[in-house]
Amino acid sequence: LAKTTQPISMDSYEGQEVNITCSHNNIATNDYITWYQQFPSQGPRFIIQGYKTKVTNEVASLFIPADRKSSTLSLPRVSLSDTAVYYCLVGGNSGNTPLVFGKGTRLSVIA
Amino acid sequence: DTGVSQDPRHKITKRGQNVTFRCDPISEHNRLYWYRQTLGQGPEFLTYFQNEAQLEKSRLLSDRFSAERPKGSFSTLEIQRTEQGDSAMYLCASSLDLREGNEQFFGPGTRLTVL
Repeated sequence: LAKTTQPISMDSYEGQEVNITCSHNNIATNDYITWYQQFPSQGPRFIIQGYKTKVTNEVASLFIPADRKSSTLSLPRVSLSDTAVYYCLVGGNSGNTPLVFGKGTRLSVIA
Repeated sequence: DTGVSQDPRHKITKRGQNVTFRCDPISEHNRLYWYRQTLGQGPEFLTYFQNEAQLEKSRLLSDRFSAERPKGSFSTLEIQRTEQGDSAMYLCASSLDLREGNEQFFGPGTRLTVL
């Protein structure tokens, strides 16, 4: 499975847009890119999944360049409640294969 | 509440004791996963089921660990002769195995402390 590299931590002020970049140089042709969010003492929660170009939902956007060796999760206008750990995963379709998590990025949103 | 539930939420045990955790997935989901998470790390895959069949086990799942899903609904994870290194959060997730399905739904976890 492709290994991912993402920043250990990030800080942001409320109302700002936050972009978290993940590197996955060895991504395979049939791999998806998926992001999960985890609050303390809770299980992870699916945010978004994509294969190429751009995906947007009500929570976030995912930007994937043509070579797919990296991806960027974009959170618009973050609030204090977005403080969490964000995991970038690369592998099979997130819904039907075991997930391989790294250490994630700890995002702290400051008032 | 129609989400994934886990019981108990917390378990404290002495080294050498056996413990069993239960996971109730979302009712129509046919895939069920177990993960383990230690402090500061992401969850690590342990095993998963499709209906009642156990399809894959991680090398992390030593002989002291056993998981079952007898009727394809709820699942249990048993740890025999617990060790201090077993202290962790045990997470259960479920999903509906569809070609376009892209999400695993996680429960709140069972936090195990082995003294």
